[in-house]
Amino acid sequence: EAGVAQSPRYKIIEKRQSVAFWCNPISGHATLYWYQQILGQGPKLLIQFQNNGVVDDSQLPKDRFSAERLKGVDSTLKIQPAKLEDSAVYLCASSLYGNEQFFGPGTRLTVL
Amino acid sequence: TQLLEQSPQFLSIQEGENLTVYCNSSSVFSSLQWYRQEPGEGPVLLVTVVTGGEVKKLKRLTFQFGDARKDSSLHITAAQPGDTGLYLCAGPRSGGSYIPTFGRGTSLIVHP
Repeated sequence: EAGVAQSPRYKIIEKRQSVAFWCNPISGHATLYWYQQILGQGPKLLIQFQNNGVVDDSQLPKDRFSAERLKGVDSTLKIQPAKLEDSAVYLCASSLYGNEQFFGPGTRLTVL
Repeated sequence: TQLLEQSPQFLSIQEGENLTVYCNSSSVFSSLQWYRQEPGEGPVLLVTVVTGGEVKKLKRLTFQFGDARKDSSLHITAAQPGDTGLYLCAGPRSGGSYIPTFGRGTSLIVHP
């Protein structure tokens, strides 16, 4: 069974630029999560989708971050404009029954 | 907000030593999960504990859920270099839907 796919794996941008990350969850998984993991910390949930509806986005900085999950499968996370403090690993995860999450390898973002 | 506090934050030991890491909260959790994250990868689920007092074993790893379901521990016997990684505990926030929250993690290095 193929795992969660993410791209790109690495991205370097300058502050105030825009960036987008893509996630393809495990086939059939209804729930999709985007996390931000700053170095030395645990993952922080940014947004959780159930199919193509949002379950929780309380920790998503909505003035600069946006996410969508069209057709309830793939998802994109966008940052516009990026700030230095956005430098982190962005993890995507999916689950079938809620609590067992399968993570992708993440996208390491560096904002200069 | 339900917080998960993990200790110690860092642990550096020699191969063959035993160790215990902790995950504590002032709140009751319906379940807790332990993940291991290796450098450059996403977290991988090790175990889910659901019942207060529950003990689960995974080869040399022993997981325990506190009787009051507010804390959990992970004990590793005879650690090996392959055990090196970031150990994260996670649980659902209060409420109906499963919305996960993670601790900051314990970074373990096992030296040969």
